[in-house]
Amino acid sequence: QSALTQPASVSGSPGQSITISCTGTSSDVGGYNYVSWYQQHPGKAPKLMIYDVSNRPSGVSNRFSGSKSGNTASLTISGLQAEDEADYYCSSYTSSSTVHVFGTGTKVTVL
Amino acid sequence: QVQLQESGPGLVKPSETVSLTCAVSGYSISSGYYWGWIRQPPGKGLEWIGSMYHSGRTYYNPSLKSRVTISVDTSKNQFSLKLSSVTAADTAVYYCAKHRTHHSAGAFDIWGQGTMVTVSS
Repeated sequence: QSALTQPASVSGSPGQSITISCTGTSSDVGGYNYVSWYQQHPGKAPKLMIYDVSNRPSGVSNRFSGSKSGNTASLTISGLQAEDEADYYCSSYTSSSTVHVFGTGTKVTVL
Repeated sequence: QVQLQESGPGLVKPSETVSLTCAVSGYSISSGYYWGWIRQPPGKGLEWIGSMYHSGRTYYNPSLKSRVTISVDTSKNQFSLKLSSVTAADTAVYYCAKHRTHHSAGAFDIWGQGTMVTVSS
């Protein structure tokens, strides 16, 4: 089971919107609505930002939204803020014996 | 409020077995949810190691399955990870985490702060 594919880096200016893609297969992203997104600041544990494709946990800003089309899931951050600068990972349940697979990770830079 | 705290030896010699423990507070493991382990080598991405239910049902990453054992001690409200025959490639920060669901497909909603394991002679 290979890692899900994410762009290595995405950048944007404060106030702009950016979108991070997460590409898998019909055995993971495309086959199940169990896609999640995590934010990780340097030296910190990951934080759940989106679960089940498009749901936000309590306390997560509504500037973060998730969606899915076919085998590709997306995380959109609107009204980009300096505090959003971090690494972001997607994850999906998979029907393979791996069960859970993470994405390669995307570094978001706020210009 | 559920909190997780990992503990471990920090430094392990090649070919040895590393044992890590995740102490859970604010929730009884026996009440449900799946609980998992994830690791992150320095400067690299996240890798799922395995997950378990309080009943003892476990799922492991096939790439590590032959070397991994995840177990639970409900009397201490903690679960553990054992990784055998370690090499330098196992050097990583190891996180324990709680699934947000009572099945293994759910996202990880609560994470420990992580514990660094270095494999070196």
